[in-house]
Amino acid sequence: ELKVEQNPLFLSMQEGKNYTIYCNYSTTSDRLYWYRQDPGKSLESLFVLLSNGAVKQEGRLMASLDTKARLSTLHITAAVHDLSATYFCAVDIGNSGYALNFGKGTSLLVTP
Amino acid sequence: DVKVTQSSRYLVKRTGEKVFLECVQDMDHENMFWYRQDPGLGLRLIYFSYDVKMKEKGDIPEGYSVSREKKERFSLILESASTNQTSMYLCASSSRFEQYFGPGTRLTVT
Repeated sequence: ELKVEQNPLFLSMQEGKNYTIYCNYSTTSDRLYWYRQDPGKSLESLFVLLSNGAVKQEGRLMASLDTKARLSTLHITAAVHDLSATYFCAVDIGNSGYALNFGKGTSLLVTP
Repeated sequence: DVKVTQSSRYLVKRTGEKVFLECVQDMDHENMFWYRQDPGLGLRLIYFSYDVKMKEKGDIPEGYSVSREKKERFSLILESASTNQTSMYLCASSSRFEQYFGPGTRLTVT
């Protein structure tokens, strides 16, 4: 059974600070996804990482994938309030029509 | 832009009712999925479909069934709704990798 673990599950950080969210998974996979969810809303795709060593950046967010360590990170640089949301990582192992296995999510609150 | 729509944003049903949740995508995607989201549990896969009339069980299929008669439409059916099926239901579609999610249906079973 594929397990996807995120940590931390809750994160309160000050504006301007940096922090990293970690996503570990238990089975070999080359595909890792990051989503953002605002309260009461659906999931918005942030990053699709499709190979070992993949790194993608968008604004203050940067995601990376190490398939050998089965680890992805989502790094937040100089956080701003607008980044407050829940962030999910998800993994697919390719044998379920690309269905995703999700972590439980990291609830991020950025405060002044 | 990919668009995934769900028939209702909010639904309130009574225990024992048969409930239909509809999902439509407009990008000719082969794969469609139904997830439920509960606080502290993340998203869990109920069923998915990789072609018309094809369906596969996900991690939590008990109490649910699905129907895919047309490529663009994937329906989730609660045969006899129960209070433990109160949840947010999210539909998604994909052609291969990236999944696109609908707005979700918040179902309350009383």
